[in-house]
Amino acid sequence: QSALTQPRSVSGSPGQSVTISCTGTGSDVGGYNYVSWYQQHPGKAPKLMISDVSKRPSGVPDRFSGSKSGNTASLTISVLQAEDEADYYCCSYAGSYTAVFGGGTRLTVL
Amino acid sequence: QVQLLQSGAEVKKPGASVTVSCRTSGYTFTGYYMHWVRQAPGQGLEWMGWINPHSGVTTYAQKFQDWVTMTRDTSTSTAYMELRSLKSDDTAVYYCASPQFSGSPWAFDIWGQGTMVTVSS
Repeated sequence: QSALTQPRSVSGSPGQSVTISCTGTGSDVGGYNYVSWYQQHPGKAPKLMISDVSKRPSGVPDRFSGSKSGNTASLTISVLQAEDEADYYCCSYAGSYTAVFGGGTRLTVL
Repeated sequence: QVQLLQSGAEVKKPGASVTVSCRTSGYTFTGYYMHWVRQAPGQGLEWMGWINPHSGVTTYAQKFQDWVTMTRDTSTSTAYMELRSLKSDDTAVYYCASPQFSGSPWAFDIWGQGTMVTVSS
């Protein structure tokens, strides 16, 4: 199972919006609505930000949103804040009761 | 509150085995699957597999099929992950993670603190 493809890095200024893409195949991202997104600050465990493509868990700011088109899922962070600077990972169900993560994207807030 | 408390850091020699534990509290252990995820230094997250604590049924990522075993002890509400025939590139932080409140079986909203496993001669 190959890792999902994410850009290595993205950046934006405070107040701007950024979008992180996550590209897979019809056997994972495109085949199921089980894409989740995680935020990870250095030295910390990942934190769930989006589940099932676009559902936001309780406590996650509504600045974070998710979507999917075909084999590509996206995480959009609007009104960037300094504390959003972190690594972001997508994850998808990949059939046969397995999952696969993306390679991760480093978000820099300029 | 819901907590996953993992065992401490380990240093192992190549070829050895390691077992990482994940002790749970604050919820019904047998009610939620437990997944294991690892992260090599400076690298991304890698899904390893999961165990159904109720039945003991496991599913492993194909990469780990022959050298990982996930088990559980329902009497202590603890999940275990054993990795055998360790190599230097197994050096990583190992996490247990569970989908609890997300309502989705494939969205992990509760994570352990991570266990650093170092493989070095």
